[in-house]
Amino acid sequence: QKEVEQNSGPLSVPEGAIASLNCTYSDRVSQSFFWYRQYSGKSPELIMSIYSNGDKEDGRFTAQLNKASQYVSLLIRDSQPSDSATYLCAVTERGSRLTFGEGTQLTVNP
Amino acid sequence: GAGVSQTPSNKVTEKGKYVELRCDPISGHTALYWYRQSLGQGPEFLIYFQGTGAADDSGLPNDRFFAVRPEGSVSTLKIQRTERGDSAVYLCASSYGTSYEQYFGPGTRLTVT
Repeated sequence: QKEVEQNSGPLSVPEGAIASLNCTYSDRVSQSFFWYRQYSGKSPELIMSIYSNGDKEDGRFTAQLNKASQYVSLLIRDSQPSDSATYLCAVTERGSRLTFGEGTQLTVNP
Repeated sequence: GAGVSQTPSNKVTEKGKYVELRCDPISGHTALYWYRQSLGQGPEFLIYFQGTGAADDSGLPNDRFFAVRPEGSVSTLKIQRTERGDSAVYLCASSYGTSYEQYFGPGTRLTVT
């Protein structure tokens, strides 16, 4: 079983819709959770971090964490074509290596 | 401020050669990480420095790979006797103190022919 699993994708949504990206992790000691956005040919860019159960909102992005279910998600509201990218879920124990999922490719159609 | 920088941006080398990849972290960041990413995969951890010392090198695939950070700032990843399977994008990230947010550099694309 992979340590971090994401929707296999690709995911395609129309402009203005909500995009929902999901991630599950296997290691119960994981304490910190991150979403990175990666455009084709570029490096990962941190867009959200979440450390405690519940929701965290930042602009059009909402991260949701449920440690009991070992589940973290990212919602993108009012999706724009510029949101088209691969979204990487990453988890870590305290201040150490990030373990990434394989990523979900999102396409927002105008 | 300036982000993480990596040089070179691209490196093409022949099988069996030695390469060095450099990472300059964000100023003041004490933790530095190396990852590598193959096409269609998420980044894979290689090694982590806290200050000058390697806090965790368990991700290095074999003894051909070595990394240093002698003054606690710039780090160099060294690969001996390169193999075609080493071809990937090598990413460096840094974080500040006890903050767990890691910020990535642009990466070095290594191609072994």
